[in-house]
Amino acid sequence: AQSVAQPEDQVNVAEGNPLTVKCTYSVSGNPYLFWYVQYPNRGLQFLLKYITGDNLVKGSYGFEAEFNKSQTSFHLKKPSALVSDSALYFCAVRDIFGSWGKLQFGAGTQVVVTP
Amino acid sequence: ETGVTQSPTHLIKTRGQQVTLRCSSQSGHNTVSWYQQALGQGPQFIFQYYREEENGRGNFPPRFSGLQFPNYSSELNVNALELDDSALYLCASSWGGENTGELFFGEGSRLTVL
Repeated sequence: AQSVAQPEDQVNVAEGNPLTVKCTYSVSGNPYLFWYVQYPNRGLQFLLKYITGDNLVKGSYGFEAEFNKSQTSFHLKKPSALVSDSALYFCAVRDIFGSWGKLQFGAGTQVVVTP
Repeated sequence: ETGVTQSPTHLIKTRGQQVTLRCSSQSGHNTVSWYQQALGQGPQFIFQYYREEENGRGNFPPRFSGLQFPNYSSELNVNALELDDSALYLCASSWGGENTGELFFGEGSRLTVL
């Protein structure tokens, strides 16, 4: 079975400071990993994914994530946070043998960026 | 915008009723997945439709059913509604020929069961 843990319900950061949102995963084989963002009363927007290759993945809006196989982690990072980055962030994992539309999502981390 | 559209955006039903939610997939996508997102939780996978057939299902009872049409649009049907069915229902489309592709989500249909 696959699972995702986002250990922080909320992350608070001042605008201009680095932002990190943590995610750890558990799958039986090699993982496909994703980050999505959700704004209030909206659907999910894709940020980035790790499939294979370079452990540092760059995505939309200046976000990046680092895949660490030994720690089974896929933390989302942004060097300089903006107030507009305030939203709900979800990490998701898919087993490479699973249905391609079936993602296991974490519970989400609320990011609050203060001016 | 992802090009995935869902309707209706909001609806209210009473316990025991039935509901149908609709989704139009993004152009070129042949797979639709449905998710349930309860308040304060991450989305939970309901099922996936590929080429008009269900080919993956999460831990949801049979009263959750679906259809996919030849144009790849899809419906989610829920019978005998329960209070716990109140949630945001998300539709996501993808291209089944690319196993590593991301999902493209619609804005969701918010269902309230009274």
